[in-house]
Amino acid sequence: DADVTQTPRNRITKTGKRIMLECSQTKGHDRMYWYRQDPGLGLRLIYYSFDVKDINKGEISDGYSVSRQAQAKFSLSLESAIPNQTALYFCATSEAGWGYTFGSGTRLTVV
Amino acid sequence: DQQVKQNSPSLSVQEGRISILNCDYTNSMFDYFLWYKKYPAEGPTFLISISSIKDKNEDGRFTVFLNKSAKHLSLHIVPSQPGDSAVYFCAASARSGSARQLTFGSGTQLTVLP
Repeated sequence: DADVTQTPRNRITKTGKRIMLECSQTKGHDRMYWYRQDPGLGLRLIYYSFDVKDINKGEISDGYSVSRQAQAKFSLSLESAIPNQTALYFCATSEAGWGYTFGSGTRLTVV
Repeated sequence: DQQVKQNSPSLSVQEGRISILNCDYTNSMFDYFLWYKKYPAEGPTFLISISSIKDKNEDGRFTVFLNKSAKHLSLHIVPSQPGDSAVYFCAASARSGSARQLTFGSGTQLTVLP
């Protein structure tokens, strides 16, 4: 099994719909992150969490929310999806902020 | 304003030759640098890193060079192989209190031609 598992792998949704992307990890790391990848912009941080009671906004948090249900689970929600949220989304974990372990990504298309 | 910049979106190299991927940064607080490699339909995976107290780190075919005065680092791959074809992300880390997180560049698509 993968160390960091993201579901779903692919999703097409309509504008205005609420959608949740899920991430679970077996690394035992306290720190979890959500990034989005867009062509030419690299990986940009949406939200991060250093433990279950700690949630922090990243550089592009508008339009997104997160929930840290347990040490191993960190979900990302789009309350009302819009087309410019079409992107590849990655969850990652780390220990003390050093090298990250990424999931395989969720390709989200908002039509 | 991007703190970590990879100005070449793509690079093509012949198999067996050297690949050089470049990265520039602006934040002088960065003290740890990493390279990640990403294949299509997969997440980025860690490749090699370097601390700011060093100017070179080598791991097999991969060497990272750091020039702190120029705020520049580079990844050398020698010899390049077709399996090295991927997107390479440069990342930098700074300590903020007890926290540390990575800032990524925009990536460079490397294509190694057989």
